[in-house]
Amino acid sequence: EVQVVESGGGLVQPGESLRLSCVASGFTFSAYYMGWVRQAPGKGLEWIGRVRLKTDRYNTLYAASMGGRFTISRDDSKASAYLHINSLKIEDTAVYYCTSENWYRFDYWGQGTLVTVSS
Amino acid sequence: QSALTQPPSASGSPGQSVTISCTGSSNDVGDCNYVSWYQQLPGKAPKLIIYEVTKRPSGVPDRFSGSKSGNTASLTVSGLQAEDEADYYCSSCGDIDNIVFGRGTKLSVL
Repeated sequence: EVQVVESGGGLVQPGESLRLSCVASGFTFSAYYMGWVRQAPGKGLEWIGRVRLKTDRYNTLYAASMGGRFTISRDDSKASAYLHINSLKIEDTAVYYCTSENWYRFDYWGQGTLVTVSS
Repeated sequence: QSALTQPPSASGSPGQSVTISCTGSSNDVGDCNYVSWYQQLPGKAPKLIIYEVTKRPSGVPDRFSGSKSGNTASLTVSGLQAEDEADYYCSSCGDIDNIVFGRGTKLSVL
């Protein structure tokens, strides 16, 4: 059974940093790009970016709208992916989903972790 | 790159067919064979139901079908069932290897 489990969300203040984690099982983690998608309350899905494979030197790509504050990484030995967000803004409040990516489609999703940015 | 355009809402009666459109540009949908559709039930994570424009993952009923013409992709749900009531999102590859989502369509089964 495939499982993707995110953690690390919570209430943070504007300007702070945060690292989200996800751990996956049930599929060959090292063979999949891993990405993050977020969903603000009552809003649609927004692609954040991806980290490619070891053979791609773990190259990353981010949506232009993310503004350079997001960093995605992975640790294949732990079947884990990470999202680091700097200088959090109120508009970053959202559920953050960790996903596997395969040819621009997201096969496996976590349940999401809620990040609330508020003073 | 702007979000793909979807109608905010769609509806149909049980047993009917409904089609949801997803309009982009020649920089994404029009030049990409990697259009996907996701179903999101209330309070749940999205679920892949269509990929590469027309393909269905294992376990997805054949009531769900996808197509594309020019810059517009479409999802058709045939034989509507109450359990199909959900939000539906399209996505496409973009011109710089990125991925762009549609704004989402809320499907109501009357």
